[in-house]
Amino acid sequence: KAGVTQTPRYLIKTRGQQVTLSCSPISGHRSVSWYQQTPGQGLQFLFEYFSETQRNKGNFPGRFSGRQFSNSRSEMNVSTLELGDSALYLCASSRPSPDTGELFFGEGSRLTVL
Amino acid sequence: GENVEQHPSTLSVQEGDSAVIKCTYSDSASNYFPWYKQELGKRPQLIIDIRSNVGEKKDQRIAVTLNKTAKHFSLHITETQPEDSAVYFCAASVSGGSNYKLTFGKGTLLTVNP
Repeated sequence: KAGVTQTPRYLIKTRGQQVTLSCSPISGHRSVSWYQQTPGQGLQFLFEYFSETQRNKGNFPGRFSGRQFSNSRSEMNVSTLELGDSALYLCASSRPSPDTGELFFGEGSRLTVL
Repeated sequence: GENVEQHPSTLSVQEGDSAVIKCTYSDSASNYFPWYKQELGKRPQLIIDIRSNVGEKKDQRIAVTLNKTAKHFSLHITETQPEDSAVYFCAASVSGGSNYKLTFGKGTLLTVNP
């Protein structure tokens, strides 16, 4: 079974630009979450989608947005990039079961803002 | 919202020694407490988890304990090996239903010296 796939793996942008990251969950997983990972702050929750609906949102500015498609694939967008947005963006999928909350992470998209 | 504090931020042990990582959480409604291991350059992976109806759980050399009254939980690794070197993240959430938001601690860098 294929794991969570994120594209692109690496990208470099300049301040003020925007970026779109993509995530394909494990087949059959309908919940997709996004996390920002930085050395000082660990893993910070951005948002979570299930059946194309955003169910939870973290404490990030409105420049961070996302969506989920009918095939459960998800994208996140960051507009008007700032230097502080440089981070590893991790996507995770999970089974829609009350018995497990295990997250299956992708390898991440490493964004560098210059 | 939930806040998870994790200590220590770095831990260095000799091979064969035990390692203990501690976390506290703030939301008394949290009932699911997973631990993730992230090796250098790799994705985080679940290594063990515990639910609030259990006080302790073991899996070979790894154990997790939970004290709901004090709102803290700990990861114990016995007979450490060099391959245990990684960053470990604790997390907390209210599991079940439609909530898949995990709040992570900031991580502990564990180094096992041969």
